[in-house]
Amino acid sequence: KAGVTQTPRYLIKTRGQQVTLSCSPISGHRSVSWYQQTPGQGLQFLFEYFSETQRNKGNFPGRFSGRQFSNSRSEMNVSTLELGDSALYLCASRPVSTDTQYFGPGTRLTVL
Amino acid sequence: SQQGEEDPQALSIQEGENATMNCSYKTSINNLQWYRQNSGRGLVHLILIRSNEREKHSGRLRVTLDTSKKSSSLLITASRAADTASYFCATAVFLAAGNKLTFGGGTRVLVKP
Repeated sequence: KAGVTQTPRYLIKTRGQQVTLSCSPISGHRSVSWYQQTPGQGLQFLFEYFSETQRNKGNFPGRFSGRQFSNSRSEMNVSTLELGDSALYLCASRPVSTDTQYFGPGTRLTVL
Repeated sequence: SQQGEEDPQALSIQEGENATMNCSYKTSINNLQWYRQNSGRGLVHLILIRSNEREKHSGRLRVTLDTSKKSSSLLITASRAADTASYFCATAVFLAAGNKLTFGGGTRVLVKP
């Protein structure tokens, strides 16, 4: 099976702009989670989607939002970008039967 | 806040030596997982140990879990240069709203040839 794919891999934006990141999970995986990784804060959970419903949400402002489509593909959106949003954004999918997360390569977002 | 805290933050060893890293957490968990991350890339799942298990092996990896001390350790035996990476523990808690996986700060391991 193909692994988790994320697009784009790299992105440069300026403050105030918005950005949409995309994640395609492994075929058959219905759960998709998003994480933000920064040198200062480490890996932080953003949200999890399952069957198009958000099941869990981390402690991030409302500028961070996401959605999941019927084919399990997911997008996350960050509006009104701030310098502190510069990070590696990781998407992970998992099958219903296990807690093991399968991670994509990440999207490196730089906010100038 | 992070559920898991890892120790040490960084580790430098020679090829062939063993590497041990520890993870402590704060609340009751359903399972604990270890992941590896090569520089700037996605995480790779290494091993999962359930709360009712005390030790688990996978190849050169050995994981222990002590729920009374809320701690876990990961041992990599006979390390290789390719083991150079960051290692993260992640605790899984089952919530009514769905599973929640919380990662520790990671241990950076450098294996010198």
